[in-house]
Amino acid sequence: EVQLVESGGGLVQPGGSLRLSCAASGFTFSGHWMHWVRQVPGKGLVWVSKIESDGSITTYADSVKGRFTISRDNAKNTLCLQMNSLRAEDTAVYYCVRDSQYCYGGVCSSAFDVWGQGTMVTVSS
Amino acid sequence: EIVLTQSPGTLSLSPGERATLSCRASQSVSSNYLTWYQQKPGQAPRLLIYGASSRATGIPDRFSGTGSGTDFSLTISRLEPEDFAVYYCQQYGSSSSWTFGQGTKVEVK
Repeated sequence: EVQLVESGGGLVQPGGSLRLSCAASGFTFSGHWMHWVRQVPGKGLVWVSKIESDGSITTYADSVKGRFTISRDNAKNTLCLQMNSLRAEDTAVYYCVRDSQYCYGGVCSSAFDVWGQGTMVTVSS
Repeated sequence: EIVLTQSPGTLSLSPGERATLSCRASQSVSSNYLTWYQQKPGQAPRLLIYGASSRATGIPDRFSGTGSGTDFSLTISRLEPEDFAVYYCQQYGSSSSWTFGQGTKVEVK
């Protein structure tokens, strides 16, 4: 079964740090870009960060650039998000997400096709 | 940054009715990277449509997507009870970032 399982969420004070992990199973982890997406409860989805298959290229939303670091260990099938200098506005459910390519007739699309169950991060004093 | 605006915010319909959801982009979007997701309360989003019009694995054919350029739509031909949920469109842009629309809630009338 294809599965993503996040862990590491919790309550942290403003200015603090937290490290999220995502354990992947049931597919070739090293063959996929991976993302973190967050969602304030009751609100919409916000893309946070991406890491390419071999970990060589990472991208961040402006709101987290310089504070968050995405990484992966393909040998351990694990994705991580190191979150530093946390702010109240970082409070959200954080989803680990697989990105898959769909190619047909020379045209390729991509989409977020597998999502974890999410882990809640609360930044509050 | 490309902004996606979904309308309406809430759609109140009865089972068996047709639902049409709109997603408008602030500038042209590649159809290859326009995607639709469904999210039910307490659950993670689920991929419905990729490449603007291709159904993901296991998605019933009552779901269809169309559009190009700046205007895209998701249609549910006949609403089933399990289709009442929030729907998001998403695009991938040239700046290597992804954006979501704010969502459309399809609720029981």
